[in-house]
Amino acid sequence: DAGITQSPRYKITETGRQVTLMCHQTWSHSYMFWYRQDLGHGLRLIYYSAAADITDKGEVPDGYVVSRSKTENFPLTLESATRSQTSVYFCASSEYQPLNTGELFFGEGSRLTVL
Amino acid sequence: AQSVTQLDSHVSVSEGTPVLLRCNYSSSYSPSLFWYVQHPNKGLQLLLKYTSAATLVKGINGFEAEFKKSETSFHLTKPSAHMSDAAEYFCVVSDSISSGYNKLIFGAGTRLAVHP
Repeated sequence: DAGITQSPRYKITETGRQVTLMCHQTWSHSYMFWYRQDLGHGLRLIYYSAAADITDKGEVPDGYVVSRSKTENFPLTLESATRSQTSVYFCASSEYQPLNTGELFFGEGSRLTVL
Repeated sequence: AQSVTQLDSHVSVSEGTPVLLRCNYSSSYSPSLFWYVQHPNKGLQLLLKYTSAATLVKGINGFEAEFKKSETSFHLTKPSAHMSDAAEYFCVVSDSISSGYNKLIFGAGTRLAVHP
């Protein structure tokens, strides 16, 4: 089915372990984003990508790594998970520069718990 | 830098009564403003957007918002709440960052409860 899918939807891990959250979109959108959602903070941008092989830091990039070798995939890796990275992670995509349309298409989120 | 403040973390209304979710923003130039809705265990969905055209913006599901520059506000309203409106709502403002890519700044969210 067309859309944007995230996996896994739920993940429990331990401090220090590496975790990768996957994001796949079928629209061939140029722009892709990773946000984290924490109570009282709304959504905060971790990393974004304007095209394949082009990525840049957002507001809270420390402890995260991204790659985008293909337009449709934008995985997010926590190299050594910490408890402060317990959160709900949302991947989003956009065909155009978000300032122009404001419309991001979101996945359903990945809930990560770090023990 | 731009910012957005949602004045209420929780709003509770009865079905059939009006909804008002308040949002104030700060901006050094003309902003683009948006409202997103998030239903439980779902991703966010764009509800409506203001991009310097008409100040009264109509969105999906009967929602609308009015851009008031003098008050730096962009409040979301609906004349009559429905049970299916129960969700979290985010006010969002656009911003530019140093790299030249624009980004969206999300408010902390307002959780809307609708009672029978």
